[in-house]
Amino acid sequence: GQSLEQPSEVTAVEGAIVQINCTYQTSGFYGLSWYQQHDGGAPTFLSYNGLDGLEETGRFSSFLSRSDSYGYLLLQELQMKDSASYFCAVRGMTTDSWGKLQFGAGTQVVVTP
Amino acid sequence: DVKVTQSSRYLVKRTGEKVFLECVQDMDHENMFWYRQDPGLGLRLIYFSYDVKMKEKGDIPEGYSVSREKKERFSLILESASTNQTSMYLCASSLNLRVGTGNTGELFFGEGSRLTVL
Repeated sequence: GQSLEQPSEVTAVEGAIVQINCTYQTSGFYGLSWYQQHDGGAPTFLSYNGLDGLEETGRFSSFLSRSDSYGYLLLQELQMKDSASYFCAVRGMTTDSWGKLQFGAGTQVVVTP
Repeated sequence: DVKVTQSSRYLVKRTGEKVFLECVQDMDHENMFWYRQDPGLGLRLIYFSYDVKMKEKGDIPEGYSVSREKKERFSLILESASTNQTSMYLCASSLNLRVGTGNTGELFFGEGSRLTVL
């Protein structure tokens, strides 16, 4: 099965850089995804790492290291609108986990002026 | 614009009632999912379906059933609602993940249905 761990909350000021770590225990997966969810809203897709390394999308970057069972989401030049919950997720590839997208418990990012 | 629509944003039901949560997607996606979201627990998978009339249990299927009679529609059924099923329910859809195609398996979520069971 899979187990993903991420910090429950991170607070930072506008303009700062925040790194949200996601460590996992899984017997195999297709890739690591990140989703953003604002209060009262639906989760929306941010990024996907199918291979080890860094993926950059504007102010957001995501990293995966399968050998370290570790990934992170990097938020740069923080803006007030980045205040939201961020979830890491993996899709299983074993017989009992195929097709399932498993989510971590989420990290609440609070951006202060 | 891609869309996943859940039939009700807010529902209040009584213990023992049968509850139907409906979800429709207009993207011709093969996969559909039902999650529940509770504070501190993230999103937990209840059931998912990768084709019409096909269903697979997620991590917390007890007390729930699903129906997928048409590709675009995936229903979640609570046969006899209980207070511990008070939660936010999220429906999602995605294309089938085909390794090597660059498909990220991105999930498209509906706005959610907040169910309160009294």
